[in-house]
Amino acid sequence: GAGVSQSPSNKVTEKGKDVELRCDPISGHTALYWYRQSLGQGLEFLIYFQGNSAPDKSGLPSDRFSAERTGGSVSTLTIQRTQQEDSAVYLCASSFDRGGGYTFGSGTRLTVV
Amino acid sequence: DQQVKQNSPSLSVQEGRISILNCDYTNSMFDYFLWYKKYPAEGPTFLISISSIKDKNEDGRFTVFLNKSAKHLSLHIVPSQPGDSAVYFCAASAMGNGMRFGAGTRLTVKP
Repeated sequence: GAGVSQSPSNKVTEKGKDVELRCDPISGHTALYWYRQSLGQGLEFLIYFQGNSAPDKSGLPSDRFSAERTGGSVSTLTIQRTQQEDSAVYLCASSFDRGGGYTFGSGTRLTVV
Repeated sequence: DQQVKQNSPSLSVQEGRISILNCDYTNSMFDYFLWYKKYPAEGPTFLISISSIKDKNEDGRFTVFLNKSAKHLSLHIVPSQPGDSAVYFCAASAMGNGMRFGAGTRLTVKP
């Protein structure tokens, strides 16, 4: 597609349930990032995929968070046993390389009630 | 860990004047720096970048300056326009690692 696509755009879930957030990067982009932005906060790095290299998972806040990138394209961020503090906008970005910056999706707004 | 810091949460300037947004970093392995602009309810959009081998990069009204010894970079917007009002994020990356963002500075350009 022309841009980075994220789905769903909004998700309301009950505390304790699992959620899956999807990111379709721009075709051909080898790098993919997940970030989250909590209300009034900056962009918090979660995980980074680069080609076939082992992902940089250093930003995942707990073992309830995991992400996969299948076939070097689509990525899924999974949050297990959601908590209210997980409520945030989850942003995905992709890039061909570091030089021109990353293209961000519009994000998934997750609300845990 | 706050490896990238934007210490000013907000900045207000008059239209036509210069806007200067500042950013400090702690990780000496960072070798690529970027600025992003974000409007409400949208994802951030890439604005300008600079590699650590340079100390200045200019693109139209936007100039980024890098001071490696001080681990400091700044974004200059001149002249500032009301449409520049947005949140500006500084970001830094090291080869093979995730890009880290600052907390953002909300710029308001008053007509």
